[in-house]
Formats: sequence, structure tokens, C-alpha cells
Amino acid sequence: GEDVEQSLFLSVREGDSSVINCTYTDSSSTYLYWYKQEPGAGLQLLTYIFSNMDMKQDQRLTVLLNKKDKHLSLRIADTQTGDSAIYFCAERAPGRRALTFGSGTRLQVQP
Amino acid sequence: ETGVTQSPTHLIKTRGQQVTLRCSSQSGHNTVSWYQQALGQGPQFIFQYYREEENGRGNFPPRFSGLQFPNYSSELNVNALELDDSALYLCASSLFSSEEQYFGPGTRLTVT
Repeated sequence: GEDVEQSLFLSVREGDSSVINCTYTDSSSTYLYWYKQEPGAGLQLLTYIFSNMDMKQDQRLTVLLNKKDKHLSLRIADTQTGDSAIYFCAERAPGRRALTFGSGTRLQVQP
Repeated sequence: ETGVTQSPTHLIKTRGQQVTLRCSSQSGHNTVSWYQQALGQGPQFIFQYYREEENGRGNFPPRFSGLQFPNYSSELNVNALELDDSALYLCASSLFSSEEQYFGPGTRLTVT
């Protein structure tokens, strides 16, 4: 079955880079996603990557995918206090419509 | 362009009661998915609706049911509420062919 794991907490200083990591078990996953959730809010799609890609960059966000190790990371450059939130990694297997989410990583950005 | 909206924002129900949660899709989106997010956890997939029919279901019992209407809005119904049903219920809309799912702000359900 599918399983997505993330570390619980990350603390960085404003202006530093943040790297949030995720591992998944389903080798057939076709798409992998990063979502952001601020307190009391729904989920905001940040970016996603297709499994035949190694990297995707979108402004301050860089996604790296190591398919061999089933490891996904999200790098946020020049982290700001507004980036403080919970970040969820998710995957989708082919033929399935459901997203499988990890438990989320709480990012705390210190001024 | 209007985003995904959900109602109500908060709801308190008693064990054994029934509840209906509502979701309006983002303009132009024809697919709605529902997720349950328990406190401190990631969202869990309940089911998806496309063309007014259920198109995939997660590991939830039949007392969780849904509807999709011709305007693509959707309802989630939960019968015989249990204490463990207390959670944030999220709906997400998308185009069926798209990987981009857009989530609403959620409905916080508390079962006492």
C-alpha cells in the first residue's frame, strides 16, 4: 500500500533556505505534490512534479525527486516569515484519483 | 474567478446525528473530491465525484455518502455520526484531466 512520510518539524531563520523532505513507498506513483496549509485554512497547491522528472523550479521553490530512493524534497529559497505553515507531501498512483498525503512538516521561520 | 467555497465553516453535532456539508467548485471545474483531515494528520481521501457519479472511494464506510449536482457543486453526507468523525472536511475541485486540485477552506465538524 501507499505510505508517505515526513519529518514533523523544521525551524529556520528568515532569509535562510528551507529543505523539507518526504519519502514514499509506492514506486508506481506518477505525480508528487507539495501543498501548504496555514492555520485554520485549506490546502494551497504549491507545485507538483511528474515522476519522469528529476527537478522542477518555480520562483523560490525547487522540487527534487530521487525516484530510486523514493525521496522528494522541497527547497524554499530566502525563507520569509509568511512561509511559516504546515507543508504536505502527497502522491498519486496511476489509475487512482486519490491523493495520499503525509502527516505534514511544520515550518517555523524565526525573524 | 471564484475559488472553492465550503459551508458551513463550523458545525457541532451529537453522536448518532446526521450532517450535510456543502462545496461549490471553482468556476469551470467538473470534478470534486472530499477529504477528511483529523487533527495533526494529513488529509484522507473519502471519495471523488465526476459527472454526478462517484469516481473512486477511499477506506470510509457507507455512512459517508455524497452527491454532485449539474452545476458541479457537491454535498458530503455523514449518517450515524461517531466521535471519531470530528475533523476538518475539505473539498477540492479540479478538471478531470488535470493534476491541479484546488482546496476549499474546509468545514470543521465537532461530534460530541
